[in-house]
Amino acid sequence: DVKVTQSSRYLVKRTGEKVFLECVQDMDHENMFWYRQDPGLGLRLIYFSYDVKMKEKGDIPEGYSVSREKKERFSLILESASTNQTSMYLCASMWLQGTDTQYFGPGTRLTVL
Amino acid sequence: AQSVTQLGSHVSVSEGALVLLRCNYSSSVPPYLFWYVQYPNQGLQLLLKYTSAATLVKGINGFEAEFKKSETSFHLTKPSAHMSDAAEYFCAVTINQGGKLIFGQGTELSVKP
Repeated sequence: DVKVTQSSRYLVKRTGEKVFLECVQDMDHENMFWYRQDPGLGLRLIYFSYDVKMKEKGDIPEGYSVSREKKERFSLILESASTNQTSMYLCASMWLQGTDTQYFGPGTRLTVL
Repeated sequence: AQSVTQLGSHVSVSEGALVLLRCNYSSSVPPYLFWYVQYPNQGLQLLLKYTSAATLVKGINGFEAEFKKSETSFHLTKPSAHMSDAAEYFCAVTINQGGKLIFGQGTELSVKP
């Protein structure tokens, strides 16, 4: 079974803090994704990565950055957390082809106070 | 640009009744379409996908969806609802741009005993 794990299920941070969300997949997938999920808005793509050290902006990259130093790990960074970044963050990975299944982690619910 | 619209943010059915969750898409090129399900406190998992083969697609847990190009629709159905089907359901579209998915807003399904 494909396993995508995220470092925390729940996280509480203060405004202005630097926040790291970690995601690890165990299936040697090329592609990895970070989404945020908000009620009534579905999932919105923040960043994605096709390969190690490669990244591309998604639909809502402002206020976020990412790092992919190893194939299995994709990190989402909030340089200076703000209250409007309170959300559920979901990581996903998939093999190479666009029609393949994306496998999701359980999510991290981040609250910024 | 691609987009997905799910009609109805909340759908409630009785156990044993038909489940119908609506999804309409917009795409300038032939799309690939997906339905994902999210159970409480979990990540998303794939229910089924359309990748230009058969227009009637069968998925897990008795769900199926039919791709109708003339109606730009990909509605999800299940003949008989079960209590365990209570979850949030997301429709998504891609045109194979490296697997980048565009998600609908989600539909929360409630099943009454």
